[in-house]
Amino acid sequence: DTEVTQTPKHLVMGMTNKKSLKCEQHMGHRAMYWYKQKAKKPPELMFVYSYEKLSINESVPSRFSPECPNSSLLNLHLHALQPEDSALYLCASSQDRGAYQPQHFGDGTRLSIL
Amino acid sequence: AQSVSQHNHHVILSEAASLELGCNYSYGGTVNLFWYVQYPGQHLQLLLKYFSGDPLVKGIKGFEAEFIKSKFSFNLRKPSVQWSDTAEYFCAVNAQGAGSYQLTFGKGTKLSVIP
Repeated sequence: DTEVTQTPKHLVMGMTNKKSLKCEQHMGHRAMYWYKQKAKKPPELMFVYSYEKLSINESVPSRFSPECPNSSLLNLHLHALQPEDSALYLCASSQDRGAYQPQHFGDGTRLSIL
Repeated sequence: AQSVSQHNHHVILSEAASLELGCNYSYGGTVNLFWYVQYPGQHLQLLLKYFSGDPLVKGIKGFEAEFIKSKFSFNLRKPSVQWSDTAEYFCAVNAQGAGSYQLTFGKGTKLSVIP
């Protein structure tokens, strides 16, 4: 079992819907990440939070809005998504943002945009 | 910026065969190297990592990898594969130093082990 929990596991939404993806870890990690993984492709970094502050936004469109309410939780708010946004969204965490900290991944949320 | 190349897209082996998956990276400085495995329908799991020291790294489930600095390579090996090793394998690298959060993945190698 993974120590990073993501909900929901699957989400189908229309282009006008607003939904949120949730990620939770209780390992005391202070860095959390959102990745997007298309089929047969490697994960691509979207956002990095370090000590609950947004550190990195990899030029992600504003229809994706991350939020870190506390050190254990990371949300990704979705609004007005496009069909090409259909993908597996992975959350990861590491002890801190440094290079020596392996990232632990959740199972992901498989998102389909109609 | 760093990049990672995995040359084999799909590898098919019979059980008990030996495995070697190639990984090369490009970056001018010092790097940390990782192999992750993604079993069907499951999350990415860390197999092994290299930061410094002995270039031959042993990981979980009988996997090992060797860092060859002169070749910018970090190939994954296993002497005898099992059907349960069927999965997607990703090599990843991050640079020590500024921007070190950036974990760059290779495109992955799908391993199919035939019983």
